[in-house]
Amino acid sequence: SQTIHQWPATLVQPVGSPLSLECTVEGTSNPNLYWYRQAAGRGLQLLFYSVGIGQISSEVPQNLSASRPQDRQFILSSKKLLLSDSGFYLCASTGSETQYFGPGTRLLVL
Amino acid sequence: QKEVEQNSGPLSVPEGAIASLNCTYSDRGSQSFFWYRQYSGKSPELIMSIYSNGDKEDGRFTAQLNKASQYVSLLIRDSQPSDSATYLCAVKGNSGYALNFGKGTSLLVTP
Repeated sequence: SQTIHQWPATLVQPVGSPLSLECTVEGTSNPNLYWYRQAAGRGLQLLFYSVGIGQISSEVPQNLSASRPQDRQFILSSKKLLLSDSGFYLCASTGSETQYFGPGTRLLVL
Repeated sequence: QKEVEQNSGPLSVPEGAIASLNCTYSDRGSQSFFWYRQYSGKSPELIMSIYSNGDKEDGRFTAQLNKASQYVSLLIRDSQPSDSATYLCAVKGNSGYALNFGKGTSLLVTP
């Protein structure tokens, strides 16, 4: 079975600062990869997904971007964080039909 | 917009009882259905998947799917306090790559 790593686990950043969250996957090859955000008390919001290296689809226009430099690496970035970017960021990977989640990064923007 | 609807709860059941969690979806072409459990502050973990009409059992969990009614449910038998969590229903249509998630039902199992 696959294992998904995310770091950092928690992050406190000032408004206007940059962001880089990393996700790596073990135990599978050529997975579909996803970034979700879950705001406090809210549902899962799909931000980006990728079906291969360099292929990124954005679901929600915003100040975030994603990149996939390697098959099992997915990065979420921002040049300038907003207060509304606070939340729980989850990386997910799909092998065959089943989607698994990483442990998540909790981001607080102050 | 492909919708997945769940009652937000909280659903409160006594320990040892059967908890019944329900989910409806709008995309009639949906093919795959999943239930995830999410403890507070943690990431969702997959409990069950179901692809065909009928029941699928795994330990204390039973998933039920009725594609004609566009309805999927999760039954938890002999509920335990450790089952207290938010349960997310997810649906995959026959197009696209992503799952559509409901907002989840909060379950509280009281001792």
